[in-house]
Amino acid sequence: GESVGLHLPTLSVQEGDNSIINCAYSNSASDYFIWYKQESGKGPQFIIDIRSNMDKRQGQRVTVLLNKTVKHLSLQIAATQPGDSAVYFCAEPDSGGYQKVTFGTGTKLQVIP
Amino acid sequence: DTEVTQTPKHLVMGMTNKKSLKCEQHMGHRAMYWYKQKAKKPPELMFVYSYEKLSINESVPSRFSPECPNSSLLNLHLHALQPEDSALYLCASSQDGQGTEAFFGQGTRLTVV
Repeated sequence: GESVGLHLPTLSVQEGDNSIINCAYSNSASDYFIWYKQESGKGPQFIIDIRSNMDKRQGQRVTVLLNKTVKHLSLQIAATQPGDSAVYFCAEPDSGGYQKVTFGTGTKLQVIP
Repeated sequence: DTEVTQTPKHLVMGMTNKKSLKCEQHMGHRAMYWYKQKAKKPPELMFVYSYEKLSINESVPSRFSPECPNSSLLNLHLHALQPEDSALYLCASSQDGQGTEAFFGQGTRLTVV
């Protein structure tokens, strides 16, 4: 079946450094991706999304890159802060109607003060 | 108001009990979702309601019964659960049922004893 997965389960980053969280997907027909952040004890929070007609999208301190050739996307966080510590999920709405969203396995980001 | 409110936050129930989880949003969203999340795992979609009609049931056992009384409320009725049903149950809503920019509640931590 189709799946969305992550390369690194845990990432430790020094405060102030940039973080890069990676995600691989297998469905070449996927045309929309979302990144969510889940802090301990909370529900996931939307961070940024990207459609397949784009290679890059920037938000506040975050950038998502999409490489359709190798079916890979990444989330870059600039100047990582302690408040960025969380589990990050890439998520893939089904291209048939976008109601069914499949989450990747998640990467835990630990920010070292 | 950009919140999805879930009650209760914690619930312990026996295998013969009947209980209900509640979810409320006042953002005018027309799609609401139930997800199940086990520890250290990504959220897994259970049900989707779109315009108050059940549009997706991810082959969830009948001991879980969703209900959408109106566009602002979503319930999950629980009956004869098993210990393996213990998990964090997350409710989410989105504007148009497209799976985009879903807003999640903090979840109900359910323990079945």
